[in-house]
Amino acid sequence: QVQLVESGGGVVQPGGSLRLSCTTSGFTFSNYAMHWVRQAPGKGLEWVTFVRFDGTNEQYADSVKGRFTISRDDSENTLYLQMNSLRAEDTAVYYCAKESSGGFIPGSYFDYWGQGTLVTVSS
Amino acid sequence: QSVLTQPPSVSGTPGQRVSISCSGGGSNIGSNSVHWYQQLPGTAPKPLIYNNNQRPSGVPDRFSAFKSGISASLAISVLQSEDEADYYCAAWDGALNNWVFGGGTKLTAL
Repeated sequence: QVQLVESGGGVVQPGGSLRLSCTTSGFTFSNYAMHWVRQAPGKGLEWVTFVRFDGTNEQYADSVKGRFTISRDDSENTLYLQMNSLRAEDTAVYYCAKESSGGFIPGSYFDYWGQGTLVTVSS
Repeated sequence: QSVLTQPPSVSGTPGQRVSISCSGGGSNIGSNSVHWYQQLPGTAPKPLIYNNNQRPSGVPDRFSAFKSGISASLAISVLQSEDEADYYCAAWDGALNNWVFGGGTKLTAL
């Protein structure tokens, strides 16, 4: 069955960096677009970033543009999120999510989600 | 402020029909599919409705949805206590080049 397992969360000081990982199994990772979605404590969902199945296109929310970088390692079936210049407002549970297609296909959606990893930015 | 607008809360008694609205604009709901996600307390979101009105396998048929113009709506025909959760609508926004979510609606079964 499809599994997405995030790791790498923790407590980091403002201005610091953190790299999240999402290890996947149960599907052909290289065929699908992947996303990161976050949820601040007690708040709603916020889409963060996306990478197309072949890595040729990435998109970022304005709130993280220039600070966060998404990448994928198809040989390891793993998605990454490098987070730099972290701010207090980046505190959230970060979910990785699989898209139902390779990317930019009308009607595609997030069909599987991981359990999330908590990132806390605090001094 | 979320790009898609949902009521913060909705409530109903078990057995009742309830609905949740989602309002957007021409660059998101107006020109792209709407999807709905259910987040049970303490868990990750899961897909409930995709492509405006399609249910993934395993989702009970008491859940339905439709889209009209720049608005969408999720309905639960016979509310059950286990439906207590947060519900989010989502769509691709072609003007922002972003996925956008509604602010979420907390459903309470009284």
